[in-house]
Amino acid sequence: KQEVTQIPAALSVPEGENLVLNCSFTDSAIYNLQWFRQDPGKGLTSLLLIQSSQREQTSGRLNASLDKSSGRSTLYIAASQPGDSATYLCAARDSNYQLIWGAGTKLIIKP
Amino acid sequence: SAVISQKPSRDICQRGTSLTIQCQVDSQVTMMFWYRQQPGQSLTLIATANQGSEATYESGFVIDKFPISRPNLTFSTLTVSNLSPEDSSIYLCSVNRAEAFFGQGTRLTVV
Repeated sequence: KQEVTQIPAALSVPEGENLVLNCSFTDSAIYNLQWFRQDPGKGLTSLLLIQSSQREQTSGRLNASLDKSSGRSTLYIAASQPGDSATYLCAARDSNYQLIWGAGTKLIIKP
Repeated sequence: SAVISQKPSRDICQRGTSLTIQCQVDSQVTMMFWYRQQPGQSLTLIATANQGSEATYESGFVIDKFPISRPNLTFSTLTVSNLSPEDSSIYLCSVNRAEAFFGQGTRLTVV
């Protein structure tokens, strides 16, 4: 059974720093992995989707990587800004095409 | 991509009443998904709504408590019935393209 873990649960860094959020999964048989952002009390915004055949995807200051062999994905945020403060969720689409969710990392960027 | 309009964005309801949440998608989709996110938790799939057939509910969720309608390929409603404080959560609808897209969420507080 696929399990997705995000560490750390919370992270606070000063503005301007580069940072990495981690997502690990137990079963390498995934179709894709998706990173989302969630602001308090709101819905989810899709940030990046990495297909199982891909190693990374980039969008602006965000870069997501995927290493199926080690069961890991990372979300790299460059030059962090206070507006990046949110909860970041990763979800792996498993062999049954179901989304398996991590618990999220709550990110606070201090001005 | 897909744009999903979800209403209401938030509501405060009395115990024993019901709340109906609506989701409108800007294009036709075969399946729509309803999720619950309890405070401080990740997402849990409630059910999958298919047009023209009964929704498929996940373990722990029943139709009497969470009736779903899917009258056409762009619209669905989720009703949360006989509300109790334990139902206070964010409810989200979602569709899949190559990636998952979400509505803005409905923040329900039961008093």
